[in-house]
Amino acid sequence: DAKTTQPPSMDCAEGRAANLPCNHSTISGNEYVYWYRQIHSQGPQYIIHGLKNNETNEMASLIITEDRKSSTLILPHATLRDTAVYYCIAINTGTASKLTFGTGTRLQVTL
Amino acid sequence: SAVISQKPSRDICQRGTSLTIQCQVDSQVTMMFWYRQQPGQSLTLIATANQGSEATYESGFVIDKFPISRPNLTFSTLTVSNMSPEDSSIYLCSVDRGANYGYTFGSGTRLTVV
Repeated sequence: DAKTTQPPSMDCAEGRAANLPCNHSTISGNEYVYWYRQIHSQGPQYIIHGLKNNETNEMASLIITEDRKSSTLILPHATLRDTAVYYCIAINTGTASKLTFGTGTRLQVTL
Repeated sequence: SAVISQKPSRDICQRGTSLTIQCQVDSQVTMMFWYRQQPGQSLTLIATANQGSEATYESGFVIDKFPISRPNLTFSTLTVSNMSPEDSSIYLCSVDRGANYGYTFGSGTRLTVV
């Protein structure tokens, strides 16, 4: 699975959009980009995933660049409850897949 | 989404003893995964548990230290054996619900070894 690179931390004001970047320059054609988050003392939670098209669900939007070398997770209206560590993972779901977590981005949402 | 019940949620154990962590899933799954999260760190995969076969361990983890059982498609246990303070971590189980739904995680077991 391709290595991903994320900034270690970010701040966002409550009510504003949080844009979390992820670099996956070595991603292969059959690897999806998955995003998870881990709120303090809880298990990781699936947010969204995509292959090459932009995706949106009730939690977030995922923007993947045309060359697929990077992506951005967007939380449109961040709240204090969105404070968490966000993990971007590139994975080939067609094989016997196992999630490998990097260090993630610690998002702090403030008043 | 699949529901995972993991227990105990936390425990404080004496060094040299063992603790068995249980994970119950509300639907049948082929593979279950066990992770460790040391204080302030990211998650590290310990092993993958398939029903009816030996678990597959990641580099740095061995069966004698972390024996795993997978008696059926909805249940698995992880034992942390002969514990030392360095084993103090959060242990989590996880299942793959397929490409469209991602992985679901248990709430974790917070282990403190004294």
